[in-house]
Amino acid sequence: ETGVTQTPRHLVMGMTNKKSLKCEQHLGHNAMYWYKQSAKKPLELMFVYNFKEQTENNSVPSRFSPECPNSSHLFLHLHTLQPEDSALYLCASSQGGAAVNGDTQYFGPGTRLTVL
Amino acid sequence: AQSVSQHNHHVILSEAASLELGCNYSYGGTVNLFWYVQYPGQHLQLLLKYFSGDPLVKGIKGFEAEFIKSKFSFNLRKPSVQWSDTAEYFCAVCPSGTYKYIFGTGTRLKVLA
Repeated sequence: ETGVTQTPRHLVMGMTNKKSLKCEQHLGHNAMYWYKQSAKKPLELMFVYNFKEQTENNSVPSRFSPECPNSSHLFLHLHTLQPEDSALYLCASSQGGAAVNGDTQYFGPGTRLTVL
Repeated sequence: AQSVSQHNHHVILSEAASLELGCNYSYGGTVNLFWYVQYPGQHLQLLLKYFSGDPLVKGIKGFEAEFIKSKFSFNLRKPSVQWSDTAEYFCAVCPSGTYKYIFGTGTRLKVLA
């Protein structure tokens, strides 16, 4: 499945660094998502974009800054992160629109982030 | 707060055994329900979903799930598992009309050949 790609696949950064995660979907979808997956915790929804507009921000700290320049690309800009932010960050996309019921999400492979 | 509970974190079965994975959610309104699966080395992918109609939903690879509204449950079943079903299974809930997906912690299934 190459519908949703994420780069980089692995990232190690210090607490003072600034880095960005990139997600691209080739499925013609209109909604894109960022999730955080930590060990032994549920997948946590962070942000949702629908037609490039942010529709959900799940009380995410401001050191995570999303950007959605178009329906195919989604970025997550990272700055002054903490060690507890180390996790797998997953991107997903779905058809989107006016809150379509039963919308299937297609996931990328994730970026494994380690904050030192 | 809304939540999804998957009662079994690790399940080990022999081939041909029957499978049932539990999923309960806490939300009082109308919901859409999903089971996603992640095979080793692969992306999360949809196994099946329910959003209206027949509460017994059939998915890929012989899996099915039943939505029991009175019990806030959406358990996943398969009558006879195969070695290739070894994977991690995630239940997810989304209140209707929203994109607020809530996932459970996942269940790791290992099927012994």
